[in-house]
Amino acid sequence: GAGVSQTPSNKVTEKGKYVELRCDPISGHTALYWYRQSLGQGPEFLIYFQGTGAADDSGLPNDRFFAVRPEGSVSTLKIQRTERGDSAVYLCASSFGTSADTQYFGPGTRLTVL
Amino acid sequence: SQKIEQNSEALNIQEGKTATLTCNYTNYSPAYLQWYRQDPGRGPVFLLLIRENEKEKRKERLKVTFDTTLKQSLFHITASQPADSATYLCAHNQGGKLIFGQGTELSVKP
Repeated sequence: GAGVSQTPSNKVTEKGKYVELRCDPISGHTALYWYRQSLGQGPEFLIYFQGTGAADDSGLPNDRFFAVRPEGSVSTLKIQRTERGDSAVYLCASSFGTSADTQYFGPGTRLTVL
Repeated sequence: SQKIEQNSEALNIQEGKTATLTCNYTNYSPAYLQWYRQDPGRGPVFLLLIRENEKEKRKERLKVTFDTTLKQSLFHITASQPADSATYLCAHNQGGKLIFGQGTELSVKP
């Protein structure tokens, strides 16, 4: 079946602009995660959803970052007033549940803030 | 604070040799550790999970060990092939979210 998909694959924006990154999880997966990965580093947790609600948003760096999952499927990560330091690959993952369940990652969205 | 660390230096080995990658953790005792493979431009792919009460786990040419005394997990690829070239990440699951090491890039030369 289809894996986790993310759009766009690349996004270039100017400092101060607003961006939205979309994640389409594997059908039937109730848990959805967002991570951010900088060059040469491992993925860094941002937020995860169990169903429609954010179960843990402790990784969001500041209030410019926000994510939603209104129907418990597709999720959107929203970044306001982008800064150059936001440039990274944003990865989405999904799993059947949480805890020990294997997380399946999408290919990521590469965000570049000029 | 809890830390999980991998050797950030790239590992270069000859085809057919065994590659050994290291993951160390400090200030906590994970119930299990996971290993992922990541290719350029792709997301991580799950490989193996090892629990604290398992000393060793194998899957085809892959072997993972977990030493709770040394606070270390070793990841081995035997009879390595150029197709094994990738970045390998270790991670632990903290309440649902994965905490990753920085990854080790492996390059297998023919």
